Amino acid sequence: ELKVEQNPLFLSMQEGKNYTIYCNYSTTSDRLYWYRQDPGKSLESLFVLLSNGAVKQEGRLMASLDTKARLSTLHITAAVHDLSATYFCAVPTSGTYKYIFGTGTRLKVLA
Amino acid sequence: DSGVTQTPKHLITATGQRVTLRCSPRSGDLSVYWYQQSLDQGLQFLIQYYNGEERAKGNILERFSAQQFPDLHSELNLSSLELGDSALYFCASSDHPVRLNTEAFFGQGTRLTVV
Repeated sequence: ELKVEQNPLFLSMQEGKNYTIYCNYSTTSDRLYWYRQDPGKSLESLFVLLSNGAVKQEGRLMASLDTKARLSTLHITAAVHDLSATYFCAVPTSGTYKYIFGTGTRLKVLA
Repeated sequence: DSGVTQTPKHLITATGQRVTLRCSPRSGDLSVYWYQQSLDQGLQFLIQYYNGEERAKGNILERFSAQQFPDLHSELNLSSLELGDSALYFCASSDHPVRLNTEAFFGQGTRLTVV
């Protein structure tokens, strides 16, 4: 059964600092997704990573995928308060393509 | 706005009751997913439909059922409600799930409170 783990679960960081969130998954998958969720709100799609070595960047966020290591990273550069949210990675299972979500990383950026 | 519509936004009901949550997918999307999000369980996959047919099932309780109608909207029925069923229920939709660059878009969720 596909398992998706994220770490850290909680992250409190100062504005202007850099940090990386990790997402590990247990079985082969051909793609990985990152979502952002503000408290009590819906999930917003951030990145779709489709192949080994894929790297995507949007503003202060950069995501990468290593399918051989079954690892994705979400790197935050020079964090700002507006990035405070919970970040989820999601991996589709082969065959049915149901999305299995990681545990989420709750990020708090302190001014 | 993701284009996925969920109703109602909020629902408060008593234990033992039955409720129906509704989801309209994005125009053109054939696949619908239901997820439950509670504080201690994260995002749990419940069930997936594609073009009216059930494609995948997660840890969905026997008290819960779902269906996707010919017009592609979906309903999630929760019965014999318990306090522990209180959660945010999300619906997501995507086009053909096998297409490489497909992605799931989420609705705003229905917050269910069982009292």
